[in-house]
Amino acid sequence: VIWMTQSPSLLSASTGDRVTISCRMSQGISSYLAWYQQKPGKAPELLIYAASTLQSGVPSRFSGSGSGTDFTLTISCLQSEDFATYYCQQYYSFPWTFGQGTKVEIK
Amino acid sequence: QITLKESGPTLVKPTQTLTLTCTFSGFSLSTSGVGVGWIRQPPGKALEWLALIYWDDDKRYSPSLKSRLTITKDTSKNQVVLTMTNMDPVDTATYYCAHRPSPRVPPDYWGQGTLVTVSS
Repeated sequence: VIWMTQSPSLLSASTGDRVTISCRMSQGISSYLAWYQQKPGKAPELLIYAASTLQSGVPSRFSGSGSGTDFTLTISCLQSEDFATYYCQQYYSFPWTFGQGTKVEIK
Repeated sequence: QITLKESGPTLVKPTQTLTLTCTFSGFSLSTSGVGVGWIRQPPGKALEWLALIYWDDDKRYSPSLKSRLTITKDTSKNQVVLTMTNMDPVDTATYYCAHRPSPRVPPDYWGQGTLVTVSS
């Protein structure tokens, strides 16, 4: 099983801030990493896959980087609609695993 | 347009078997590379992957739940069914099904989820 450490678990920020969320793997996964956004009462939405590929329709203020064991999600200029919980997920091997989530809240 | 929708009981008793159905449209589970998976989320907690079935009937399960899970598909009905035996209150969660377009891409479209409560 590939374990994931996602940090921070809670991030307080203001509109317009640049924020970064990290995800570290217990072993290398090449670039088989995805980032999801989830709002309360809603299903997760795919933001980024292959570590850095933006899913169609996702604003360009979202970006992803990394390979191997260390990955980062960056939101360059936080908007009001970005306050949500973010999860990383590895799909390099089964069982798929998810990070514990990062809640981005209004400061 | 790809859509998925989960259906099943909202309340089950401990030790009972849960059967959930994912009904989808906008894609075919007979197309090479395509898969449909199940993921759950206990209230206030993180996502947990459960199972996945591919177009060729290849199936993958979470090792920690493998003995309790069965995933099947009915291509003609555009449905995927997940059964989980011996339900326990810790299995209370929102259960999602999701579309996987190819083996090198994660799930891209998710259903709205269905909350299943396990209680006597």
